[in-house]
Amino acid sequence: SAVISQKPSRDICQRGTSLTIQCQVDSQVTMMFWYRQQPGQSLTLIATANQGSEATYESGFVIDKFPISRPNLTFSTLTVSNMSPEDSSIYLCSVDRGRHEQFFGPGTRLTVL
Amino acid sequence: SQQGEEDPQALSIQEGENATMNCSYKTSINNLQWYRQNSGRGLVHLILIRSNEREKHSGRLRVTLDTSKKSSSLLITASRAADTASYFCATDEGSSYKLIFGSGTRLLVRP
Repeated sequence: SAVISQKPSRDICQRGTSLTIQCQVDSQVTMMFWYRQQPGQSLTLIATANQGSEATYESGFVIDKFPISRPNLTFSTLTVSNMSPEDSSIYLCSVDRGRHEQFFGPGTRLTVL
Repeated sequence: SQQGEEDPQALSIQEGENATMNCSYKTSINNLQWYRQNSGRGLVHLILIRSNEREKHSGRLRVTLDTSKKSSSLLITASRAADTASYFCATDEGSSYKLIFGSGTRLLVRP
């Protein structure tokens, strides 16, 4: 498994502002992912973040709205920009250590007023 | 779009009983994973079963995979109140590491 931490664990933000979520892993991993879980829903992949390359975004998600950084093999950030109440969700990062088993962080619960 | 559909959407059982959840998917897969989520927190990885495997066990968990029917089941034996959570299946296909999640089953284990 992997020990993954996320900051903040939760936040309440005003519309129009931005929030950056951090994801830290206890060991080096090539593949990191960011997911969104809207209230009462399942998880949807936002983007894949590999170190040394631009993030790859899924359909319906764009870099201007969800910029991602991956400066090294243990850390990534996801920014939710120009937030609206529809962005209220749990945001989760995950890592894959090369065997297709993905392990998830504890999530960041975001509420936008 | 979601790959998997899970049933039932919700399940309520008495402590000590067994709980069975089912997951169906649409395309050929490499692997199928089951996760547990407590009260909207992070996902806990339960078990991974590969496409060439038919059954795996881990403690009180038993997972089966039927690739001909594109379905999987998760059995929790001798359930406990602490098993109350949402359970999700997730699949990956081809060369992609991307996971596609099912809709989830909410399990309530009554003491």
